[in-house]
Formats: sequence, structure tokens, C-alpha cells
Amino acid sequence: DGGITQSPKYLFRKEGQNVTLSCEQNLNHDAMYWYRQDPGQGLRLIYYSQIVNDFQKGDIAEGYSVSREKKESFPLTVTSAQKNPTAFYLCASSPGPNQETQYFGPGTRLLVL
Amino acid sequence: GDSVTQMEGPVTLSEEAFLTINCTYTATGYPSLFWYVQYPGEGLQLLLKATKADDKGSNKGFEATYRKETTSFHLEKGSVQVSDSAVYFCALLSSSNTGKLIFGQGTTLQVKP
Repeated sequence: DGGITQSPKYLFRKEGQNVTLSCEQNLNHDAMYWYRQDPGQGLRLIYYSQIVNDFQKGDIAEGYSVSREKKESFPLTVTSAQKNPTAFYLCASSPGPNQETQYFGPGTRLLVL
Repeated sequence: GDSVTQMEGPVTLSEEAFLTINCTYTATGYPSLFWYVQYPGEGLQLLLKATKADDKGSNKGFEATYRKETTSFHLEKGSVQVSDSAVYFCALLSSSNTGKLIFGQGTTLQVKP
């Protein structure tokens, strides 16, 4: 089945620790995105990538980093510089950036110990 | 900049009631518009979309019409079911050529038997 997978479903971070969230897609999509969702709010864009080996900052990139070494993978690292990381993180992909529907993964909930 | 405003929730309805969730937007040009639905603990699923003025998107009994005169994309359903209980997000595709979706804050719908 084609789709987007995210792992883990829940992730716990200790103070000062970097953690990495996985996002994989087998839809052969060029574009991939990371969004952050906080309670009672809409989604906000963290990073996006329109093609392999290229990515751009979104609206709230501080404290996060990404890589796009393979078309199907777009991992997100939450660094210790992100002071308020507790949120629901959603990965999405689309065939291309314009006029295209984005398809979302099931999400990873990050909690701070 | 581009923005989306949704009616505040929660919206509580009895089964078989008529549903309207209001969505208005501010944007340059005529962006594609979307409704996504999120069930508890899950990612977002595309419900419907419209890519140009006067288009009507429809799916699973839900409908929304792209109204450029009123810059609106209200979601409607004639008869809701308990299984429709979820959070609904209105979104537009940014005109910045980044592929970024701009979301409203979401509207929680609770349908009671």
C-alpha cells in the first residue's frame, strides 16, 4: 500500500537531548513537509523540501533541522535549542509544490520528560 | 500575508442535523482551497478541495463551494453522523510557490446520538 509512515508514534525527550523523527513515503512524491500542531491551533510549517538534496526553512524553523538525502525520506531533528518541543508533528508529501494535494502521515507526539 | 479564519468551536450537533462550518480567507490571487479532517490521535485526511472560483468540492456527503466574491469556502453536510465527530481544518495553498499550506485553527465537531 502506498502512503506515508512516521515513527515513532510517541517520543520522549530529556532536557538537552536531540531527537529525530522519521518520515518515509513510497508515493514517489517530490515534495515533503514538516508541520507542528499545538492544541487548539492550526498547523505551522517547520521545513519543506521540493526535491532531493534541497530544503528550505518554513515559518518556525528555529531549533529544528532536516535532511533530504533520499526522495522517500525526510527526517526531522528536534534539537536542544528548541525550548518548547512538546507538540504533535506531522509529515506530509505532495507530487509537486503547486496546486497539489498534500498527503499526511499519522503523526508523532513528542513529550518532554 | 495569506491567512485563513474558521469559526470557533466546539460545534455540538445531534445526529442528522445540518452542519455548516464557516471558513474565510485572505490571499493574493485565487489559491487552491482545502478541507482536511483529523480524527483523535491521527494525522490529517483530505476531505475535499477546490482549485478555482465557483468550483464545488464534495466527498462523503460534505460539500464546499469556492466563493471568490466573499472569499469563503464554507463546509456543509446535510445530515451528520456520530462518526463525523472530528476536527476540521480549512486551508489554502500559499501563492509563494513553496507548496506551503496555510491552515485555519480548526473547528471541533461533536455529534451526539
